[in-house]
Formats: sequence, structure tokens, C-alpha cells
Amino acid sequence: QVQLVQSGSELKKPGASVKVSCKASGYTFTTYAMNWVRQAPGQGLEWMGWINTNTGNPTYAQGFTGRFVFSLDTSVSTAYLQISSLKAEDTAVYYCARGGYCGGGTCYSDAFHIWGQGTMVTVSS
Amino acid sequence: QAVLTQPASLSASPGASASLTCTLRSGINVGTYRIYWYQQKPGSPPQYLLRYKSDSDKQQGSGVPSRFSGSKDASANAGILLISGLQSEDEADYYCMIWHSSASVFGTGTKVTVL
Repeated sequence: QVQLVQSGSELKKPGASVKVSCKASGYTFTTYAMNWVRQAPGQGLEWMGWINTNTGNPTYAQGFTGRFVFSLDTSVSTAYLQISSLKAEDTAVYYCARGGYCGGGTCYSDAFHIWGQGTMVTVSS
Repeated sequence: QAVLTQPASLSASPGASASLTCTLRSGINVGTYRIYWYQQKPGSPPQYLLRYKSDSDKQQGSGVPSRFSGSKDASANAGILLISGLQSEDEADYYCMIWHSSASVFGTGTKVTVL
């Protein structure tokens, strides 16, 4: 079945980096965009941006530029989120979510039909 | 002012209907947008429920019961998620979402309690 499986929880110190993985299965990885969504403890959903799985081109939402990097390894159908210079306020659950169809280098805006189970990243000294 | 505003909470009895609103910021016309709705239960990722733009442009999520439906109130500039015949399992947080200026935006979320 179609699913996204994310890497496990992380505990990091301020200033460190973390890389979260999101492995897709059950569909052709490069035919759908991959989005990233953050949810701080007790808070709502916040869209971080998306990556075109055809071209590898990332798009970052306001507030998620500089320290956040989206990447792919299409050979293993996996998307990655790397966060550097971690701060306490980065403590959150991070979700990958499959977005719209990608074709001819273009991805279309659509619902997030499939979600990963989430990865808890805790930043604490 | 948030792009999408939802009431923080809503309570209703089992079997009743619940109408969840998602109000778009002034200057953003609800008529031009597809409104997406998600349900999130504690400790779980969100699940896609449905999409609604008009009666001719709507989509039900895979496996989502028909008692979940979408509509709009143009006079209030709002999208609406209607849950008919509320069940205890519907107790969850509900988020609306739109694509605005090539960016996805989530609403503030509504916590639904089934009394």
C-alpha cells in the first residue's frame, strides 16, 4: 500500500543539526511532490514547503529559509529534511506529506493525501 | 490577521450535526479557492477528509464517510465542513487548508468534542 515511513525521534542539543528521512513506498516516488509540515507541541499545522521530486527543486515557506534544507535520494525513494543550528523553538513533530502530481518537471497543487507518521525532534540542553 | 481563521473549539452531542467554519482573510475571496479539510486525532498524523470548491469541483478522501461534506458561505467568505450524525470517533482536531500565492496555508484548527 501507499505509505510514507519517517525516521525515529531525535534529541539534539542547541546548535546541532538533524536530518529526518521520509521513505515512500507503494507508488512511483517521482510522480508526486513531497511537502513538509511542522507541528509544535500543542499547536497547529505549519507548512514548511515542498520539493519537486522530478527536478529536486525545493520551495521554502516564509520562516523556513536558511536553516532548513529539503533533499531527495530518488534511488531509494526517500525525501530528507535537514535542520541546522537547532534552537529550542524547533522542538516539534515534523511530517512529510505527499502532495500533487508531478509531470514534465511541474508539480501541481493538491491535497496532502498521504502523510508520514511524524518525527519528533526535541532540542534541549 | 491569519489567512484562515477557525473557531478554537466546538462541542456537540452524538447524532447531532456540526458545522465547522474556515474564514478567509478579508481580500481573499473564498469563491476562487479549493478548501481542503483534514482530521487529526491525538498522537496521529492528519488525515485528508475532502476538498470543496463548488458542487462541480469537490472530492471525497479515500474511505471518508459521506457524513463528512463540504460547502461554502460566500456571504461570510468561509468554507464549511459539515459533519452529520456525529460519532464519538469524530472527536479530533480539524484543519482547513488552501493554496494561496503558490504556498499552502493551514487554518488555526478547531477542536471538536463529542459530549
